[in-house]
Amino acid sequence: DAGITQSPRHKVTETGTPVTLRCHQTENHRYMYWYRQDPGHGLRLIHYSYGVKDTDQGEVSDGYSVSRSKTEDFLLTLESATSSQTSVYFCAISERTGGDTEAFFGQGTRLTVV
Amino acid sequence: DQQVKQNSPSLSVQEGRISILNCDYTNSMFDYFLWYKKYPAEGPTFLISISSIKDKNEDGRFTVFLNKSAKHLSLHIVPSQPGDSAVYFCAATMNRDDKIIFGKGTRLHILP
Repeated sequence: DAGITQSPRHKVTETGTPVTLRCHQTENHRYMYWYRQDPGHGLRLIHYSYGVKDTDQGEVSDGYSVSRSKTEDFLLTLESATSSQTSVYFCAISERTGGDTEAFFGQGTRLTVV
Repeated sequence: DQQVKQNSPSLSVQEGRISILNCDYTNSMFDYFLWYKKYPAEGPTFLISISSIKDKNEDGRFTVFLNKSAKHLSLHIVPSQPGDSAVYFCAATMNRDDKIIFGKGTRLHILP
């Protein structure tokens, strides 16, 4: 298994509170991603990173921010959580080798905003 | 605007038969495509991929076909086994932009 750890694995929080999810990798992969999975929507890209301090928006970035101060850590922050952000969040890492790419996923974080 | 489309939310196939999962994309700049399998309460796991310079890639029971002119790819699983019951996601990426965009997924049920 690729060395990806997401924390926490489960969290319940109240509307309006800040929440930070952490993704930690031990593979030294350049690219890291945050996705959310919702019924009927599949996996939607929130933000991704292509290097330390290099990040870009995905399809559903509103209400989320990210930071990558070290290669191994990619943080996803909900500044003020809303019920629409209740979801399962997946972190992924990837590296391009010879034109091929393959993303490895973490186990997911189930976030409930009440 | 959905760039990667999996138009069948679910598919049921008899054990031992062929499962065919379809995926369409709209962005002609995509040059690499991947298939992932996901069980409940687990993260997606990589199955097979294909570069746009190829039209077929095979790995054991899994074969992916790419039709660039139709912007269509398909995953064939033969023979289908009970453990293949899962949600399958199609994904696409392009060399100049490192985003990996996923479709909504297709739930495959393998019937005994």
